[in-house]
Amino acid sequence: AQSVAQPEDQVNVAEGNPLTVKCTYSVSGNPYLFWYVQYPNRGLQFLLKYITGDNLVKGSYGFEAEFNKSQTSFHLKKPSALVSDSALYFCAVRDWYGGSQGNLIFGKGTKLSVKP
Amino acid sequence: GAVVSQHPSRVICKSGTSVKIECRSLDFQATTMFWYRQFPKQSLMLMATSNEGSKATYEQGVEKDKFLINHASLTLSTLTVTSAHPEDSSFYICSVGSVNTEAFFGQGTRLTVV
Repeated sequence: AQSVAQPEDQVNVAEGNPLTVKCTYSVSGNPYLFWYVQYPNRGLQFLLKYITGDNLVKGSYGFEAEFNKSQTSFHLKKPSALVSDSALYFCAVRDWYGGSQGNLIFGKGTKLSVKP
Repeated sequence: GAVVSQHPSRVICKSGTSVKIECRSLDFQATTMFWYRQFPKQSLMLMATSNEGSKATYEQGVEKDKFLINHASLTLSTLTVTSAHPEDSSFYICSVGSVNTEAFFGQGTRLTVV
């Protein structure tokens, strides 16, 4: 079965410091990986994706993620965190083998808290 | 990316009544839409896949008679929670997207059943 794991429930960083939100995946075949951000009582906003190509993917709001096949990881990073980055972050993988024709399978989410 | 409009954003209803949630794809013809449910501080769980012009596909454990899905056009899918109970209170989110692109999500609907 395909899955993603976000090992941290919460990540705390100081504003201006680099941040990393971890994600590992388990898939059969080539993974299609995504990061989304969710603000309270809102839907999910797309940040970035990896389908093929360069392992370092740049996305919205200064975020980037590195696809590491050997470690089956897709960690989300940002060089300098902002207080406004505080939100819930979800890693997801495209489900090619479920009955739902390619929906996304989500990790449990990581709450990012950036303090001034 | 695609713009997805979900309505209402919040709804409070009495136990035993039904509530309809609309998901509109404003600039993307969606033959498939996905409905998710999110409990507080938890991840999104796929409830069902809405298929334009045909029956929805429900995930295991989701009652299809309780969560009625209609996908009558390429731009509109509706989720009706029938005979709602307090345990149905949750955040419901729809999404659209093709298999080779990212998914685009509606704003979500906070349902509270009292």
